[in-house]
Amino acid sequence: GAVVSQHPSWVICKSGTSVKIECRSLDFQATTMFWYRQFPKQSLMLMATSNEGSKATYEQGVEKDKFLINHASLTLSTLTVTSAHPEDSSFYICSADPGLAANLYEQYFGPGTRLTVT
Amino acid sequence: GENVEQHPSTLSVQEGDSAVIKCTYSDSASNYFPWYKQELGKRPQLIIDIRSNVGEKKDQRIAVTLNKTAKHFSLHITETQPEDSAVYFCAAIESGGGADGLTFGKGTHLIIQP
Repeated sequence: GAVVSQHPSWVICKSGTSVKIECRSLDFQATTMFWYRQFPKQSLMLMATSNEGSKATYEQGVEKDKFLINHASLTLSTLTVTSAHPEDSSFYICSADPGLAANLYEQYFGPGTRLTVT
Repeated sequence: GENVEQHPSTLSVQEGDSAVIKCTYSDSASNYFPWYKQELGKRPQLIIDIRSNVGEKKDQRIAVTLNKTAKHFSLHITETQPEDSAVYFCAAIESGGGADGLTFGKGTHLIIQP
């Protein structure tokens, strides 16, 4: 149980274009999902908290107009990188919190999306 | 906000020996401390976690200890095996009741020497 998927697993795009990444909870509902970014040989950094039915909460330094988040249902959150530039190349990973009383705060991670901007 | 420091950045141990990775956190309100193992290009995998009302937790060869007064927690791996080689991250959550994102340490590259 508690499986999270991401699509695509990798994507190459040209500078200036936009890319959409999907995060799905396959066997549970997630009121809250999280988006992280991981540069090579670095740690995961929280970008934003995605809340179903409301606006996302962005961490300091993350541009909300550049990284558009939509949490349209209890099983799907999307991250759109708009006007992508080479410095946006990174590993984007989502996670979801099932909100189980027995496992408070535990998050399940998606497999990640490798974005390369040329 | 929360700040998590992790040491060492690289740890090399002989197969069969123990490995210890240490983390400190800054926010005394933090109450959930997971440890993740990440292999290259893969998602982080939860290996063990501990909550603020517990001082120690063990699962086979892996154990975690928490000292809330000192605001530090440690991962202990005994009888290390080659498949333990990976990058390990500690993390912390300060939750006021709603769902919160994780603050990660910088990671420790664990190398198990045969």
